[in-house]
Amino acid sequence: AQKVTQAQTEISVVEKEDVTLDCVYETRDTTYYLFWYKQPPSGELVFLIRRNSFDEQNEISGRYSWNFQKSTSSFNFTITASQVVDSAVYFCALSEAHILTGGGNKLTFGTGTQLKVEL
Amino acid sequence: DAGITQSPRYKITETGRQVTLMCHQTWSHSYMFWYRQDLGHGLRLIYYSAAADITDKGEVPDGYVVSRSKTENFPLTLESATRSQTSVYFCASSDGEGITDEQYFGPGTRLTVT
Repeated sequence: AQKVTQAQTEISVVEKEDVTLDCVYETRDTTYYLFWYKQPPSGELVFLIRRNSFDEQNEISGRYSWNFQKSTSSFNFTITASQVVDSAVYFCALSEAHILTGGGNKLTFGTGTQLKVEL
Repeated sequence: DAGITQSPRYKITETGRQVTLMCHQTWSHSYMFWYRQDLGHGLRLIYYSAAADITDKGEVPDGYVVSRSKTENFPLTLESATRSQTSVYFCASSDGEGITDEQYFGPGTRLTVT
């Protein structure tokens, strides 16, 4: 069975600090997909990034960057120069490829990391 | 409005009552999903549907019933609500064309069972 672990329950930083959110996953599949979602205080879930298991290239999008390492089964998320608006709960999720059964991408979520960015 | 909507947004019900949470999407996405969000558990999949009239259980299906007679609607029914079903419920949809597709989430329904 697949599993996603976000060991950091809550992180507090001061604005402009860099912060890394950890995500460790378990899966038996060789083909899988990893996601990060953001849940701001308003409650909606916002898609941030998707990465497939064959692409270990790190990605940077503005102040956000993601470090995918299959060797350690980790998909960590870094926010550079954090801002108050980054305050949210961040979820890492894993999807296994059910090509034959057509199961779509059923997501297994981690328990989330609450990020608080203070002035 | 285009997108994915849920109704009601807030619901209080009593133990033992039946309650239905509605989900509607305007994209004609094939796949739809129901998750519940609880502290310490993140989001857990309740049921999903690959197309109209095709549904399957997720991780925590007990106590819930779904149907999908139309592609755009995916209602979730609690046949006899229990306090343990107090949660925030999210509906999601995806094109499903590929396993890579992101899921688009509705705004959520906060359900309290007293």
